[in-house]
Amino acid sequence: DIVMTQTPLSSPVTLGQPASISCKSSQSLVHSDGNTYLSWLQQRPGQPPRLLIYKISNRFSGVPDRFSGSGAGTDFTLKISRVEAEDVGVYYCTQTTQFPFTFGPGTKVDIK
Amino acid sequence: QITLKESGPTLVKPTQTLTLTCTFSGFSLSTGGMGVGWIRQSPGKALEWLAVIYWDDDKRYTPSLKSRLTITRDTSKNQVVLKMTDMDPVDTATYYCTHRQVYCSAVSCNEVDFDYWGQGTLVTVSS
Repeated sequence: DIVMTQTPLSSPVTLGQPASISCKSSQSLVHSDGNTYLSWLQQRPGQPPRLLIYKISNRFSGVPDRFSGSGAGTDFTLKISRVEAEDVGVYYCTQTTQFPFTFGPGTKVDIK
Repeated sequence: QITLKESGPTLVKPTQTLTLTCTFSGFSLSTGGMGVGWIRQSPGKALEWLAVIYWDDDKRYTPSLKSRLTITRDTSKNQVVLKMTDMDPVDTATYYCTHRQVYCSAVSCNEVDFDYWGQGTLVTVSS
């Protein structure tokens, strides 16, 4: 199985300031079709997860442009340009390049 | 508008079989590229992928639970059913139903997993 790791596991941020989460995979996430199936999910308290970013850097429908994704191969980053109160929650990276699909442990983002 | 909703027992006894149903709307599981899967989350823990079934009836399972899982679909009812045998207290979790599809524009197509989620259903395993 591909192991996903995230740092930091907790990120207290000041409103209006940027936040960044790193995700690393135990092997390359480049699929045989040439695509990299690395996504980011947001889980607000008491809510199901929500897709933010797919294929490294593509924002899903309705996701604010303060969220951006980048990276390649085994190293990926989610950035929030200016954190808002509604961004509080846990963020997961996930790979769907190879079965079984796997998730990172999650990064908790809260307000200082 | 795509929606998914999980249903099933909230409490099961150890060794029993859990049957969960995902009832969806807004798409047909017969359409190319579509898929419905299951993910669970133990209290306070991270997400664990369990299984997925695709438009062509291809089915995939997480290896660690494969012997206990069965995923099926009823396209006429717009439902996907997950069965998990021999339940144990460690299987206590919120179980989510998820959707995936292929989005195409004029220039390209993108396979997108986990684009829509149900609200989840909490299943407790206890005698």
